[in-house]
Amino acid sequence: QKEVEQDPGPLSVPEGAIVSLNCTYSNSAFQYFMWYRQYSRKGPELLMYTYSSGNKEDGRFTAQVDKSSKYISLFIRDSQPSDSATYLCAMEEVFSGNTPLVFGKGTRLSVIA
Amino acid sequence: EADIYQTPRYLVIGTGKKITLECSQTMGHDKMYWYQQDPGMELHLIHYSYGVNSTEKGDLSSESTVSRIRTEHFPLTLESARPSHTSQYLCASSEYAAGRAYEQYFGPGTRLTVT
Repeated sequence: QKEVEQDPGPLSVPEGAIVSLNCTYSNSAFQYFMWYRQYSRKGPELLMYTYSSGNKEDGRFTAQVDKSSKYISLFIRDSQPSDSATYLCAMEEVFSGNTPLVFGKGTRLSVIA
Repeated sequence: EADIYQTPRYLVIGTGKKITLECSQTMGHDKMYWYQQDPGMELHLIHYSYGVNSTEKGDLSSESTVSRIRTEHFPLTLESARPSHTSQYLCASSEYAAGRAYEQYFGPGTRLTVT
């Protein structure tokens, strides 16, 4: 079993839909949880991150972490065609400093106008 | 926008050639990484470095080598290119900041095709 599991999709939704993207993980030492967005033929870029459990909101995006279930989510409200990309979750242990991020496989999202 | 650069952006080369993919960052980050990613597929960590003269192999077995002689520069070398090396190669860097996650900044990638 991989440390981080993410459904690769693809996921296709109409414009304006609410999108839910999810990852599960097995390492209870993970404390930082990140979401990266990768457009086609580009490198990933950090969208947002949360520390430990809870929610974090940034505009149309909400990141949610449930450490008891080892489950994280990214919600996109009022999805736009420009949100079409691959979304990767990533995690790291707190203050590890010496282990790279662990990435999920990424979920490919298409928002249809 | 992150100041991390990769050259060349695209490379088509014949089997058996030696190639070096360049990666440079101007942010003074200690940590640098190389990932391999096939189109539509997951990222695979192939090498990383936590500072000058430090290099480690990643999760994916790779026939490439890296060096870190200067903080800002982390080149990746394939001694003898093969068609199985055809892929996109992404370089990234990060730096510890108290109370923050190790955000990785990615370069634009090098798309390598070995014929």
